[in-house]
Amino acid sequence: LAKTTQPISMDSYEGQEVNITCSHNNIATNDYITWYQQFPSQGPRFIIQGYKTKVTNEVASLFIPADRKSSTLSLPRVSLSDTAVYYCLVGDGVFNKFYFGSGTKLNVKP
Amino acid sequence: DGGITQSPKYLFRKEGQNVTLSCEQNLNHDAMYWYRQDPGQGLRLIYYSQIVNDFQKGDIAEGYSVSREKKESFPLTVTSAQKNPTAFYLCASSLGVGSTDTQYFGPGTRLTVL
Repeated sequence: LAKTTQPISMDSYEGQEVNITCSHNNIATNDYITWYQQFPSQGPRFIIQGYKTKVTNEVASLFIPADRKSSTLSLPRVSLSDTAVYYCLVGDGVFNKFYFGSGTKLNVKP
Repeated sequence: DGGITQSPKYLFRKEGQNVTLSCEQNLNHDAMYWYRQDPGQGLRLIYYSQIVNDFQKGDIAEGYSVSREKKESFPLTVTSAQKNPTAFYLCASSLGVGSTDTQYFGPGTRLTVL
């Protein structure tokens, strides 16, 4: 099962760039890496998805090294509203089930 | 307005009673999921369904049951066999169950068993 490992929590200040790294040593060849954001008492929301190298959208960038055993979500110039839990997700690769780890709780301070 | 709806937002039940949580989507998605989230924890997969009339157990299916009679609906029943049912329940849907299929989540139902 392609499980993931992330830091439990991170602190940052407004305006800083935040990088959250996820380890997924058993990722399968056809698996994509997806990141979600969750605010308290709400459902997770899709942020970004990638397969290799770098992907960028209007809210984040995703960096994936050649071996794909890890990935890094980069949030540029965070604000207080970015305080949330961030989940790294990879497919099972066999049964196509998804594994949500415990996520990383990002706390942005003023 | 497309999306996923879950009802009710808060639900209280007495111990020993079965309770059914509703999940409806109008996104025309084939796949639907149920997750459980405990305070400060991540999401754990209960059941998922790839197509109508078919569903598969997730990691913590014991004490739960589902049905998928319509594409739009995937209700979850929490039975009296579930030892600790108090939790936040999230329903999601996606076009398929592949690694690239983004899951769209509903607002969740917070179940409290008294």
